[in-house]
Amino acid sequence: EPEVTQTPSHQVTQMGQEVILRCVPISNHLYFYWYRQILGQKVEFLVSFYNNEISEKSEIFDDQFSVERPDGSNFTLKIRSTKLEDSAMYFCASSQTGGSSPLHFGNGTRLTVT
Amino acid sequence: GQQVMQIPQYQHVQEGEDFTTYCNSSTTLSNIQWYKQRPGGHPVFLIQLVKSGEVKKQKRLTFQFGEAKKNSSLHITATQTTDVGTYFCAGDGGSQGNLIFGKGTKLSVKP
Repeated sequence: EPEVTQTPSHQVTQMGQEVILRCVPISNHLYFYWYRQILGQKVEFLVSFYNNEISEKSEIFDDQFSVERPDGSNFTLKIRSTKLEDSAMYFCASSQTGGSSPLHFGNGTRLTVT
Repeated sequence: GQQVMQIPQYQHVQEGEDFTTYCNSSTTLSNIQWYKQRPGGHPVFLIQLVKSGEVKKQKRLTFQFGEAKKNSSLHITATQTTDVGTYFCAGDGGSQGNLIFGKGTKLSVKP
């Protein structure tokens, strides 16, 4: 069964540094998402992306964050000037048709900001 | 903003006992989805409910969507150790599929 793949599985960075989290969505999916989950807490929506542009974003997704689809397969989340509170598990997800279609999540990237 | 509330936060059961988690939305939903996250894993889609009053079953799991489409429940009959994990409900938060997740119910099963 096709999977969403994310790299790296764990990223450690110092406060103030920039990180790029990478995702390869399922190939025939058109809608892409980033969610984050602070340890032991709920899964929070960050941003949705369709047709090479942001569809919706949450209050969490401020100017510190950006997303990009640099080629036909990768979908990236960039976090500039990381803060301690950015430490979380970041999940990429994709869906075939958006709307109410189910999300397929990757295994996540655990970001630790020290 | 829209909120999705889920109770209980934790549930510890003996293997063989039943388990139920409840989900309530502050707004009417067009659909509700349920996901399971194993410890250390990622959310995995279980089911989607769309119609008012809908009931769906998957083996020992029974999912219900309320008549007003603002609440839902997941019931597991005769829990097994493989049921361990956190169960999240998620409601539609916008037009592009950005789901609003509940806080989840963490189920532990004692053998």
